[in-house]
Amino acid sequence: QSALTQPASVSGSPGQSITISCTGTSSDVGGFNFVSWYQQHPDKAPRLIIYDVSNRPSGVSNRFSGSKSGNTASLTISGLQAEDEADYYCSSYTSTSTQVFGTGAKVTVL
Amino acid sequence: QVQIVQSGAEVKKPGASVKISCKASGYTFSLYAIHWVRQAPGQRLEWMGWITSGNGNTKYSQKFQGRVTIARDTSASTAYMELNSLTSEDTAVYYCARDQKGIRGYFDYWGQGTLLTVSS
Repeated sequence: QSALTQPASVSGSPGQSITISCTGTSSDVGGFNFVSWYQQHPDKAPRLIIYDVSNRPSGVSNRFSGSKSGNTASLTISGLQAEDEADYYCSSYTSTSTQVFGTGAKVTVL
Repeated sequence: QVQIVQSGAEVKKPGASVKISCKASGYTFSLYAIHWVRQAPGQRLEWMGWITSGNGNTKYSQKFQGRVTIARDTSASTAYMELNSLTSEDTAVYYCARDQKGIRGYFDYWGQGTLLTVSS
């Protein structure tokens, strides 16, 4: 199972919106609405910020939103803040009942 | 409150095996699957496998099939991941995580991570 494809880096100024893409196949992202997104700060465990494509767990800011079109899922961060600077990973359930993570995207707040 | 605590850092020689534990508390252990994920230094997250804590069913990534075993002890609310035939490429932080929705990959609680260093 190949990793889902994400841009290596995305940047934006405080207050701006950025979008991170996550491209898979019809056997994972495109085949199920079971895409999750994780935020990871250096030397910390990942933190769930989006599940089932577009749902936010309790306690996660509404500045984070998710969507999907075909084989590509997207995470949008609006009103970018310094604390949003981190690595972001998408993950998807697959047709073989496994999980696959994305290649990861580093978000830089300029 | 839900807590997941992993065993401490390990240093192993090439060819050896390692077994990492993942102790859960604050919820009914048997109701949720546990996944194992690793992250080599500076690299991406990599999924290794899952176990359904109730009936002990497992599923492994093809990459680790035959070299990894995931087990659980429901009486101790603990999951285990054993990796054999270690090489330097297995040097990584290993995480366990609870799946809130069956095995769909909604990892709501994570362990703190266990650093495995493989070196001669």
